[in-house]
Parts: sequence; C-alpha cells; structure tokens
Amino acid sequence: GQNIDQPTEMTATEGAIVQINCTYQTSGFNGLFWYQQHAGEAPTFLSYNVLDGLEEKGRFSSFLSRSKGYSYLLLKELQMKDSASYLCAALMDSNYQLIWGAGTKLIIKP
Amino acid sequence: EAGVTQSPTHLIKTRGQQVTLRCSPISGHTSVYWYQQALGLGLQFLLWYDEGEERNRGNFPPRFSGRQFPNYSSELNVNALELEDSALYLCASSSSGGSYEQYFGPGTRLTVT
Repeated sequence: GQNIDQPTEMTATEGAIVQINCTYQTSGFNGLFWYQQHAGEAPTFLSYNVLDGLEEKGRFSSFLSRSKGYSYLLLKELQMKDSASYLCAALMDSNYQLIWGAGTKLIIKP
Repeated sequence: EAGVTQSPTHLIKTRGQQVTLRCSPISGHTSVYWYQQALGLGLQFLLWYDEGEERNRGNFPPRFSGRQFPNYSSELNVNALELEDSALYLCASSSSGGSYEQYFGPGTRLTVT
C-alpha cells in the first residue's frame, strides 16, 4: 500500500525554528516534494529531494532519508506569513504520480 | 511565462446539475492533473491526463470525468452534482520527463446548494 503521514497541526513562535516531519510507505519511490498552501490558495512548490541529505534554500531546508522513508521541512526565523499548510508528496517511480499527505497546518504566534 | 489558468473562479450550482471546469496548462507542459480539496482537508487526486490520454484516476465515482484536448488544455466534468461535491477544484500541470514538479492553478471554488 501507499501511505504518507504528517502531523495535522503545529504551533510555533515568530522568529523561532520549526521542523515538520513526513513519513512515507510506498511500493516505489522516486523523490519527495514539499509544497506550501495558504488558506484558500493553490499550493506552491518549495522543494524536491531525490537524494539523501539536507538541501537548504534560504530560510527553508528539506531533508530526506530514503532508507527510513522519512523527510522533514525545516523553517527558520519564522515569520507570520509562514502560517500556512505544508504538504509533502511522494513521487512514484512506477507511474510518476504524486501521492499527497493530508498537510500540516502551521500556526505562527507573535 | 503564463502560469496554469483555470475557469471559472467561482461557481454555484444546485444538486443534480452538471458542471464543466476548464484548465490551461503552462506552455510546454503535457500533463494535467485534477484534484479536489474540500474545506480544511487535503488534496484528493481525481484524474491525470498526459498527451491526450487518461493515465490514472482516483477513487471517485464515474460521474467525475474529463478530457484533454490536442493543445493540452483540459476539462473536468461533474454530473449529477451532490452537496458533498462542494470544494476547491485544483488543476496542476507538469512536463513529463522532467522533475515532475506540479504547478498549480488558482482553482475553481464550486458550491453546490
């Protein structure tokens, strides 16, 4: 079967650091996407990890461990505008289709 | 470069009616994906079209259907609308053979009363 798990909701403080975890169980795996979705808007691309390790992109970093079926998104120096849902999605190597997690709603408090 | 476009932006229909939603992918993209996102919930995969063919469909009844045209634009049709079809319908496009990153349109908000 195919399954992706991420926490439903997280709360963090402005200026702090937060890590959003994503675990996946898929019969075939090519890579892991992270998207950001503000309420009422379409998802926008944040990162794509194919190889193990950490990829840094400004305040956002994404990590992948293929052997553990695990990824995380790290957000530093949190800003109020980072309040959004963060979706992880696994790219299947059989048909190149994305399998989506339900999303983690991140609430930033002053 | 223009992004993914969808029309209409908002739509209100009554139960039992039929609706057609439209999507134009980014120029050069051959794959179009349709998703349903009910309020406060995650993305539910509906349909995937590539090069004019339906490649895969999600766990939705047959009254959800669609097609992709030669110019790679796509339509999503929903027949016999039910109240629970009220949702944001998102279209995304990607270029096959690339990173498979999906670019999303702004969505169509469908309300069924």
